[in-house]
Amino acid sequence: GAVVSQHPSRVICKSGTSVKIECRSLDFQATTMFWYRQFPKKSLMLMATSNEGSKATYEQGVEKDKFLINHASLTLSTLTVTSAHPEDSSFYICSARMGQINSPLHFGNGTRLTVT
Amino acid sequence: AQTVTQSQPEMSVQEAETVTLSCTYDTSESDYYLFWYKQPPSRQMILVIRQEAYKQQNATENRFSVNFQKAAKSFSLKISDSQLGDAAMYFCAYRSSGIFGNEKLTFGTGTRLTIIP
Repeated sequence: GAVVSQHPSRVICKSGTSVKIECRSLDFQATTMFWYRQFPKKSLMLMATSNEGSKATYEQGVEKDKFLINHASLTLSTLTVTSAHPEDSSFYICSARMGQINSPLHFGNGTRLTVT
Repeated sequence: AQTVTQSQPEMSVQEAETVTLSCTYDTSESDYYLFWYKQPPSRQMILVIRQEAYKQQNATENRFSVNFQKAAKSFSLKISDSQLGDAAMYFCAYRSSGIFGNEKLTFGTGTRLTIIP
């Protein structure tokens, strides 16, 4: 079946550095991918919608210069947390839509980011 | 804007028994999708069941079924014959439908389900 892979699953970085998280659709082409953030014991909050070949659409309150999203191919979207700070520590999850609009979304296994 | 409310932060059920998780939502749209996702300790989000708002028939997937009450904006999940592997965080989610609909998934705050052996 369809699989969405995220890498890395865990990352620890120092404050001020940048971290890149990859989201890949392994056996299907994903024209649209979504990036979510999940705080401890909280729900998932959509950060941005990533469309292949065009700029991402960010949700209100999400800093686009801090959370850079690139969707350069139909199977890969990347989220780069720039100049990370401890408050950016969180669980980041991507999802991808396989096929046409209203098709089911498939989620990656998430990335735990810890900024020290 | 749509909102999704899960009023039960935690639930527990004896193995092999039945449990119902509650979800209510608020929307002004007439056509949309509702979902239940499961997030086990591995943190992988797994789709449990999906309901199209235009369908009156409640969705079922093996031991999982929903009670969709459109007028009441209620969407509960029933798990029958609970198994240890059902232990997880369960999220109710809403999504608009249609070509011009916003694909954004709006999640509830989740219900942590514990299965008692």
